[in-house]
Amino acid sequence: EADIYQTPRYLVIGTGKKITLECSQTMGHDKMYWYQQDPGMELHLIHYSYGVNSTEKGDLSSESTVSRIRTEHFPLTLESARPSHTSQYLCASSELQGGSGYTFGSGTRLTVV
Amino acid sequence: RKEVEQDPGPFNVPEGATVAFNCTYSNSASQSFFWYRQDCRKEPKLLMSVYSSGNEDGRFTAQLNRASQYISLLIRDSKLSDSATYLCVVTNDYKLSFGAGTTVTVRA
Repeated sequence: EADIYQTPRYLVIGTGKKITLECSQTMGHDKMYWYQQDPGMELHLIHYSYGVNSTEKGDLSSESTVSRIRTEHFPLTLESARPSHTSQYLCASSELQGGSGYTFGSGTRLTVV
Repeated sequence: RKEVEQDPGPFNVPEGATVAFNCTYSNSASQSFFWYRQDCRKEPKLLMSVYSSGNEDGRFTAQLNRASQYISLLIRDSKLSDSATYLCVVTNDYKLSFGAGTTVTVRA
């Protein structure tokens, strides 16, 4: 069973709204990640964290921001949503030493109208 | 050049067939290798790790060739339920790089 949870599962929101996508994991993993994936396309890393108070930008430029105040929680925020932000957002976590791969959440499918 | 490259397919095969495909990676210092499976509109899930000596998990066999910098996945006796996109994943400094995926469709 998945031990990493994302909410909401689906979100439809108007342009200009501020939104926060939640991600929590109960595995005690130090590393957490946010990926963006359009239908039928590859995953793009947009943010990652190696632990509390650590956040880094990923390979794909994103207007979103993240925070890591607690080990288990890694929320992603869009201050002003735009239609170009419509996508699926996947959160993942892994042990610091790697080697065991990632565990992904079920994703948030965001539509900005 | 992308860090991880895969043949996108699709590979359309009948039930019971064997299907195999590769993935190449550009960083010779890559440390760990995985195959993930992603079903349509779902999150990726770890299928298997890939070890230098090669490894099997039921009908799935993974191989790593460090000299030529590629990994492979072979599916024997394919089932309808094997239809999915298979993602090649490579780690560098604890960061995972994903290939774009190879789509496999198994038909009855």
